[in-house]
Amino acid sequence: EPEVTQTPSHQVTQMGQEVILRCVPISNHLYFYWYRQILGQKVEFLVSFYNNEISEKSEIFDDQFSVERPDGSNFTLKIRSTKLEDSAMYFCASSQGETQYFGPGTRLLVL
Amino acid sequence: SQELEQSPQSLIVQEGKNLTINCTSSKTLYGLYWYKQKYGEGLIFLMMLQKGGEEKSHEKITAKLDEKKQQSSLHITASQPSHAGIYLCGADINNFNKFYFGSGTKLNVKP
Repeated sequence: EPEVTQTPSHQVTQMGQEVILRCVPISNHLYFYWYRQILGQKVEFLVSFYNNEISEKSEIFDDQFSVERPDGSNFTLKIRSTKLEDSAMYFCASSQGETQYFGPGTRLLVL
Repeated sequence: SQELEQSPQSLIVQEGKNLTINCTSSKTLYGLYWYKQKYGEGLIFLMMLQKGGEEKSHEKITAKLDEKKQQSSLHITASQPSHAGIYLCGADINNFNKFYFGSGTKLNVKP
């Protein structure tokens, strides 16, 4: 069964460094999403992406964040200058329009 | 703001017992999704409800949508240790491209 994959599974970085989180959505899906979950808190929407552009973004998704679909398969989330509070589990999801299927997540730790 | 409220926040039940988790929206629901998350892992899609009064079942898990009450319930019959995890409801509330999650219900099933 097709699934969303994410790499790396864990990432440790120093504050101020740039990180790129990668996702490979399900191949025939058209909508792509990033969410984050700070330890012990709820899953929060970051951004949705369709037709090579951002459809919606939350207040969390500020200028430090960017998304890209550099080729036909990858969907990336870049954090330009990481802060301690960016430490969280980041989930990618994709859909054909309704049900979103989630990847296993990337656990980001900013030191 | 809490667009989706889940109750209870946590639940411990004896194996074999039935249980119900509720999800209430502060706004009109256009689709309600239930996901399961094992601690620190990804989100697994369980089922989606779209129409008022709709009821769906997957193995021993049944979910219903009450459109008038803007509420959904997830019912597990004869719970097993494999049901343990965090159950999250999610919904498109205002906008197709933005998705909200409840804060989750942590379920433990004692053998």
